[in-house]
Amino acid sequence: DAGVIQSPRHEVTEMGQEVTLRCKPISGHNSLFWYRQTMMRGLELLIYFNNNVPIDDSGMPEDRFSAKMPNASFSTLKIQPSEPRDSAVYFCASSLWGLEAFFGQGTRLTVV
Amino acid sequence: GESVGLHLPTLSVQEGDNSIINCAYSNSASDYFIWYKQESGKGPQFIIDIRSNMDKRQGQRVTVLLNKTVKHLSLQIAATQPGDSAVYFCADFSGGYNKLIFGAGTRLAVHP
Repeated sequence: DAGVIQSPRHEVTEMGQEVTLRCKPISGHNSLFWYRQTMMRGLELLIYFNNNVPIDDSGMPEDRFSAKMPNASFSTLKIQPSEPRDSAVYFCASSLWGLEAFFGQGTRLTVV
Repeated sequence: GESVGLHLPTLSVQEGDNSIINCAYSNSASDYFIWYKQESGKGPQFIIDIRSNMDKRQGQRVTVLLNKTVKHLSLQIAATQPGDSAVYFCADFSGGYNKLIFGAGTRLAVHP
């Protein structure tokens, strides 16, 4: 398996634009996590899914953030409209029932 | 992904020495713990895990110790190598909530 695949690796966008981050989890995994990493806040859990169903989105900072998992092999994290303070590295991770979560390489988002 | 930076505690060791990285957790209901290693520009990488019904688990050159009484976790790395230089995170998981929450991290610097 290629591991967790995230795209794009880097994204630079202007304030106010919509940004969509994509994640393909490891085949067979049923839990998927979205994290955000910044120097100030470290690794923050934004939302996680079990069996494609969002279980806890209490970490999503604002209504501008939304996440979907239409099937077991794909998830998106969308920011609309984006703001400079959203600049961070966004990680997707997948696991079997939350155990031994494996991370993707991350998407570095810069909002100017 | 860039790791948490300026205010991370740093452990500096000589190559060949043993390293001990500590972590405190707050959720007494946590029943599963993972140590991750994050190198610059990469996502966190799974190192070793331990369940709450154990107090010690060994891997290749690594040992994790769990003290539930004081809610403390440690990662011991034997014969530390330059390639071990990275930021190390502990993460705890409460099965009932299915959330994997990360600590702030410790930067390990290995000097030749």
